[in-house]
Amino acid sequence: GENVEQHPSTLSVQEGDSAVIKCTYSDSASNYFPWYKQELGKRPQLIIDIRSNVGEKKDQRIAVTLNKTAKHFSLHITETQPEDSAVYFCAANTGTASKLTFGTGTRLQVTL
Amino acid sequence: DVKVTQSSRYLVKRTGEKVFLECVQDMDHENMFWYRQDPGLGLRLIYFSYDVKMKEKGDIPEGYSVSREKKERFSLILESASTNQTSMYLCASSFRVGSVAQHFGDGTRLSIL
Repeated sequence: GENVEQHPSTLSVQEGDSAVIKCTYSDSASNYFPWYKQELGKRPQLIIDIRSNVGEKKDQRIAVTLNKTAKHFSLHITETQPEDSAVYFCAANTGTASKLTFGTGTRLQVTL
Repeated sequence: DVKVTQSSRYLVKRTGEKVFLECVQDMDHENMFWYRQDPGLGLRLIYFSYDVKMKEKGDIPEGYSVSREKKERFSLILESASTNQTSMYLCASSFRVGSVAQHFGDGTRLSIL
């Protein structure tokens, strides 16, 4: 089955700096890659997703890039703010189109 | 806005009890999922269902079963609860085709004593 690895497990940046979280996947058939943000005590929420026919997607301060050849995708957050502090999960779909395999999460801390 | 509602935020049960976790969604989604979330392990899929009365095992189905009698409701059952099933349980739902983004409930923190 699909295996998704996520790095780093923790990331601390200063407010205003950029943050990058990287994920690799194993199943070359995967074609959908969402990113979720989970604030403390809250549900995971979808923040951005990308399909395999696209190399990059942006939404204001967040962007996701996909390299299908290398089977990795990354989340980029620019001009980080304290409210960006959360745990971020990457995921990739497997076999059945809408089933997801998640990475183990990255705890991002934005310090003042 | 998608609403996925889990019946309890916190639940405390004893070992050997039969435990039911309920999830309801209001978006007419075909797919529903149960995950457990443990520190350092991310979200692991227990079971999912792509239609009423249909189910498939996820990555960690042992000790669990599910029921989907109606499209909007998906239940997770711990047949005989054990302490290693103490965890956060998250329900999610999605369409089967098109926009397949999964939408999560608030989670149930289950403690087995």
